[in-house]
Amino acid sequence: GNSVTQMEGPVTLSEEAFLTINCTYTATGYPSLFWYVQYPGEGLQLLLKATKADDKGSNKGFEATYRKETTSFHLEKGSVQVSDSAVYFCALSDSGGGADGLTFGKGTHLIIQP
Amino acid sequence: GAGVSQSPSNKVTEKGKDVELRCDPISGHTALYWYRQSLGQGLEFLIYFQGNSAPDKSGLPSDRFSAERTGGSVSTLTIQRTQQEDSAVYLCASSLYGMNTEAFFGQGTRLTVV
Repeated sequence: GNSVTQMEGPVTLSEEAFLTINCTYTATGYPSLFWYVQYPGEGLQLLLKATKADDKGSNKGFEATYRKETTSFHLEKGSVQVSDSAVYFCALSDSGGGADGLTFGKGTHLIIQP
Repeated sequence: GAGVSQSPSNKVTEKGKDVELRCDPISGHTALYWYRQSLGQGLEFLIYFQGNSAPDKSGLPSDRFSAERTGGSVSTLTIQRTQQEDSAVYLCASSLYGMNTEAFFGQGTRLTVV
């Protein structure tokens, strides 16, 4: 079956630090990959996505590259801000598997200190 | 409405009672999804609707859980004879056609079974 594994949190960084949140996946088909973000008190929001190998998704300074050879979709940001504090979820959708729902990782709580 | 709306936002119920959770998707979105977010378990896919039909019910955890969608719009998730392990945040999402189009999430219903 499909699964997503992401690094456990919380991850605590200082403002302007470099961020990497690791995500690896297993899937039976040709998945699309997503990062969702949940800010405190808010609903889940799509942060970025990539639909095929070697695609790079980017948004709000965050980037992630779909690496089929390592089955990874690591999230990176060059310089984090306090406002980036949130829970980040890596997810996949395997349309080749028939189901059209998302399979999520368990989430990584990111805390940015001023 | 402008976004996905879920009600109630919070529900406390006694063990053994039935509960109904409601989701109003974004107008015109044909795809609707229910997820469950439990502490320590991450986000779990429950069921997916395309229009009024549910091609994938594989995520429903037991036969106490059921969902319907009428008129291609509002969906209701029903949990019968609630148990304490049903306590979680239940999230609804909708997308225009399916997972190849962005899914927008509601704020969720926090269910507490006492």
